Amino acid sequence: QLQLHESGPGLVKPSETLSLTCTVSGDSIRRSRYSRVWIRQPPGRGLEWMGSISFSGDTYYNPSLKSRATVSLDTSNNQFSLRLTSVTAADTAVYFCATGPPLRGEIQHWGQGTQVTVSS
Amino acid sequence: SYVLTQPPSVSVAPGQTATLTCGGDNIGSRSVHWYQQKPGQAPVLVVYADTDRPSGIPERISGSNSGNTAILTINRVEAGDEADYFCQVWETTSDHRIFGGGTKLTVL
Repeated sequence: QLQLHESGPGLVKPSETLSLTCTVSGDSIRRSRYSRVWIRQPPGRGLEWMGSISFSGDTYYNPSLKSRATVSLDTSNNQFSLRLTSVTAADTAVYFCATGPPLRGEIQHWGQGTQVTVSS
Repeated sequence: SYVLTQPPSVSVAPGQTATLTCGGDNIGSRSVHWYQQKPGQAPVLVVYADTDRPSGIPERISGSNSGNTAILTINRVEAGDEADYFCQVWETTSDHRIFGGGTKLTVL
């Protein structure tokens, strides 16, 4: 059973960098062809795709993030990560890591989500 | 960029049929996916590729897609179906997952 678990700071100061890690169990990042995705949900609002990384390491990002986001794989620890620079209050949200099958668009597996608040 | 439009809310009595719509320009030419999200939980995929259900999703939940509207239909609605529902499409060249704004289904 594939499971995902997000970890990272719950509070980040404005202008700093947010770093989140998604630990994958029940699947090998090194061998799997799943696409790894980060999605966020601001309070009381809808879902926003932030970026993703393919099994081959190709990365894709939401243009709305204006190049602030970086997604990477850590195959040795079976994890993938998100870095978001220059955060503001608008980045306050629940952040989900997720996976989807290769060459298809749906998201099959989701982490439980982690709340991140941007505040001084 | 491509926009998906969902009504903010739909209300239905138990045992009735809920029809949730997702509008988009020629959405019938795209593959649409639907997610159910209950408060405080992660979304759950309930329909993918317009009409397919993952294992464990009951048959009374179904999807269709044609023209400018995709539809998620929930037959014999139960109290446990009360949730937010999001539609989603995929931009293949940019890997962009586009979500609709979501519909809150209330079971009266």
